[in-house]
Amino acid sequence: QQQVKQSPQSLIVQKGGISIINCAYENTAFDYFPWYQQFPGKGPALLIAIRPDVSEKKEGRFTISFNKSAKQFSLHIMDSQPGDSATYFCAAQPTDSWGKLQFGAGTQVVVTP
Amino acid sequence: EAQVTQNPRYLITVTGKKLTVTCSQNMNHEYMSWYRQDPGLGLRQIYYSMNVEVTDKGDVPEGYKVSRKEKRNFPLILESPSPNQTSLYFCASSLILAGSTDTQYFGPGTRLTVL
Repeated sequence: QQQVKQSPQSLIVQKGGISIINCAYENTAFDYFPWYQQFPGKGPALLIAIRPDVSEKKEGRFTISFNKSAKQFSLHIMDSQPGDSATYFCAAQPTDSWGKLQFGAGTQVVVTP
Repeated sequence: EAQVTQNPRYLITVTGKKLTVTCSQNMNHEYMSWYRQDPGLGLRQIYYSMNVEVTDKGDVPEGYKVSRKEKRNFPLILESPSPNQTSLYFCASSLILAGSTDTQYFGPGTRLTVL
């Protein structure tokens, strides 16, 4: 049973638009929330990460928003570019078993020219 | 170049024929982990290791074995592969900082098909 639920499964956005991917968790306490980006034929690579002591983190066009009370976190890609077309995974690290990173199911983002 | 390498990258085998997928990292990372990636299920952890001779089960360990005899290597062993182990496999490694894992660096993946 997946502890981290990710939506949508896929997303098509026009160049310059905003891509929004949502993740939610339940039951388990987590203390680290990374997002990974995966291009076809490659392994995932860390994009941006947040810890629960902050509600938002921005790096360039990528922003994570974190709502601790709602147990939700989201990735916003501003001014989406064709080069952002990839699969994005949210993840959460349990506080009491930090070796067991839990991943969401992934969101395939396609940015059209 | 800092990297995680996996071999082979592609493998087609038959049910019951033992196989090993190797993973090696050159970053002196304490933590290593194996994941399988299946459509609609994301990345699911198979086994992980905090350091040499220290391994533990992830969420889907059935049918797999691992060993960590050296810090840089973390092979994944399928003693008797079955078709439901057909998947894309990733090895990852990470430093351990302040008692927690840091950024995980992933290998390029191994696509396994079990007939």
